[in-house]
Amino acid sequence: QLQLQESGPGLVKPSETLSLTCTVSGDSISNSDYSWGWIRQPPGKGLECIGTIYYSGSTYYNPSLKSRVTISVDTSKSQFSLKLSSVTAADAAVYYCARHRYSGSYRWFDPWGQGTLVTVSS
Amino acid sequence: EIVLTQSPGTLSLSPGERATLSCRASQSVSSNYLTWYQHKPGQAPRLLIYGAYNRATGIPDRFSGSGSGTDFTLTISRLEPEDFAVYYCQQYGSSPLITFGQGTRLEIK
Repeated sequence: QLQLQESGPGLVKPSETLSLTCTVSGDSISNSDYSWGWIRQPPGKGLECIGTIYYSGSTYYNPSLKSRVTISVDTSKSQFSLKLSSVTAADAAVYYCARHRYSGSYRWFDPWGQGTLVTVSS
Repeated sequence: EIVLTQSPGTLSLSPGERATLSCRASQSVSSNYLTWYQHKPGQAPRLLIYGAYNRATGIPDRFSGSGSGTDFTLTISRLEPEDFAVYYCQQYGSSPLITFGQGTRLEIK
């Protein structure tokens, strides 16, 4: 059964770079039917897709975050990572990683990790 | 830029009642690319419906999705206590490529 687990610092200082890693177990991160995504949920707000990455390294970034986001993949470790630079209080959120499944002409996120809370504070 | 607007923001119902949740897109969305999720506090979001009306594996048949174009609906035919949660619709394909609605909170009346 596929499982995803986020890891990384729970506290980041303003103007610094947020770094998170998602470890994938139970399936191959190199499967061409999937990409891998980061989604966040600020306190009291809805879900926002940050971006996705294929095992090949091909990425999609949300245009609103594109200038600050880097998503990378390490297939040897079955991990993909998120870096978000120049963070502010607005970047405080629960960050989720998820598999973006391609099945025929359908697309969906499933499963998701449990999420990790990131606070931005000095 | 596509925007998904979910209504109502909060829906207060009792167990056994029928829930109807709406997701309206600012431009047409392919039905294949319209997805619904359930999200409970402290848990990972759960896939409910993909392709507008296809139930995900293990999802009870009291959940159903419908709609096309710009108007989509998630219906829960008879609410169970475990169904009270926040529900999100999500689209793929229009710019931005992946967007979520702001959510509908389904609470116990």
